[in-house]
Amino acid sequence: SSELTQPPSVSVSPGQTARITCSGDALPKKYAYWYQQKSGQAPVLVIYEDDKRPSGIPERFSGSSSGTVASLTISGAQVEDEADYYCYSTDSSDEQNFIFGPGTKVTVL
Amino acid sequence: QLQLLESGPGLVKPSETLSLTCSVSDDSITTINYYWGWIRQPPGKGLEWIGRIYFDGRTFYNPSLKSRLTMSVDTSKGQFSLNLSSVTAADTAVYYCARLSPDGQLVWAPHFWGQGILVTVSS
Repeated sequence: SSELTQPPSVSVSPGQTARITCSGDALPKKYAYWYQQKSGQAPVLVIYEDDKRPSGIPERFSGSSSGTVASLTISGAQVEDEADYYCYSTDSSDEQNFIFGPGTKVTVL
Repeated sequence: QLQLLESGPGLVKPSETLSLTCSVSDDSITTINYYWGWIRQPPGKGLEWIGRIYFDGRTFYNPSLKSRLTMSVDTSKGQFSLNLSSVTAADTAVYYCARLSPDGQLVWAPHFWGQGILVTVSS
């Protein structure tokens, strides 16, 4: 199976911009999704189909994708954005299988 | 608003079968628009895709779990289930059920998640 690669951690000061990348062989052909998971809670979808934001997700969350790299950007990060963020897409070696990235811990301080 | 609720034993002995059920609060389990999936998360670790099932019983499993995994659906009860056999301590995790929606590139992604249930494998 293939993998999605994310940096283990990203730190950002409140009000600054955090950017998380996700690399994967399937991403040129398949959409990326992003999930936010706060401590002790279930994951929440924050970006779908590379760059779309579900209802109720703040505008400071945005997504993009180019080639084998998808990105999640938090513009003007807030303390409440501190969480683990996971990307998700297709396994390039088996299109019926889906995979999560290892997760990126975003610290806002 | 859709609600998904996982239920089942919180403790399973090694070598036995882990069985969980997810109850769906609306009637969307009978529609053609969604798959229904399971995802797990070992304590302190990342998310792992387990598998998905369609309302008609079609299934797709994570290849790494396929030999031990069975999923089923009961549309009359608005439920779908997971059975994982021959469990070991490595199967200890929070298990989430989710509703999956497709996109134009046939990526089936979880849009709604249950709250999760911790299952510990221990004697």
